[in-house]
Amino acid sequence: EAQVTQNPRYLITVTGKKLTVTCSQNMNHEYMSWYRQDPGLGLRQIYYSMNVEVTDKGDVPEGYKVSRKEKRNFPLILESPSPNQTSLYFCASSTRTWGPLHFGNGTRLTVT
Amino acid sequence: SQQGEEDPQALSIQEGENATMNCSYKTSINNLQWYRQNSGRGLVHLILIRSNEREKHSGRLRVTLDTSKKSSSLLITASRAADTASYFCATDARYGGATNKLIFGTGTLLAVQP
Repeated sequence: EAQVTQNPRYLITVTGKKLTVTCSQNMNHEYMSWYRQDPGLGLRQIYYSMNVEVTDKGDVPEGYKVSRKEKRNFPLILESPSPNQTSLYFCASSTRTWGPLHFGNGTRLTVT
Repeated sequence: SQQGEEDPQALSIQEGENATMNCSYKTSINNLQWYRQNSGRGLVHLILIRSNEREKHSGRLRVTLDTSKKSSSLLITASRAADTASYFCATDARYGGATNKLIFGTGTLLAVQP
């Protein structure tokens, strides 16, 4: 089954404790992207990747890192999480930058 | 920056009625897409309409696009309780020569009462 898999589904952590949210897709898509979703703000792009070893900032990249060492994986790294990074995070992939996008089921992150 | 804005923010209807939601955007686009999100889950792509198309159908979905008014509408006919979800429009836009990417609106929350 074609899918984008994110883990974990829920994560509660404390300020400053490094964490990684994994994302993997099995559709051989070149394009992958991370979004955060906050009430009233819609989906905002954090980082995206056009292909292996090619990543670029989205609209809200501060406090986040990504890597794309393999085509299927695109982890999101928070080196020192802060409470303002409490949000619902989505990974998405596509054959093109403008979609249609295939989304993972999301990771709900709480930073206390 | 926010490209698409949906209207209304929330809509409640009875099962069997039609639901219409609208999307307005600001810049020229190549295509416009609609997505559905069930509570807290990932978005699911519904339909894509290109800038040279005026109307498109997919099952009970009908999408229109008016590029002169920079607006689109999504009509769900004969709604079902299972259609309860948030609906987002997304537009692709080129910013200052950068690669096209999708910009999402803030969504319309549709509640279909059984």
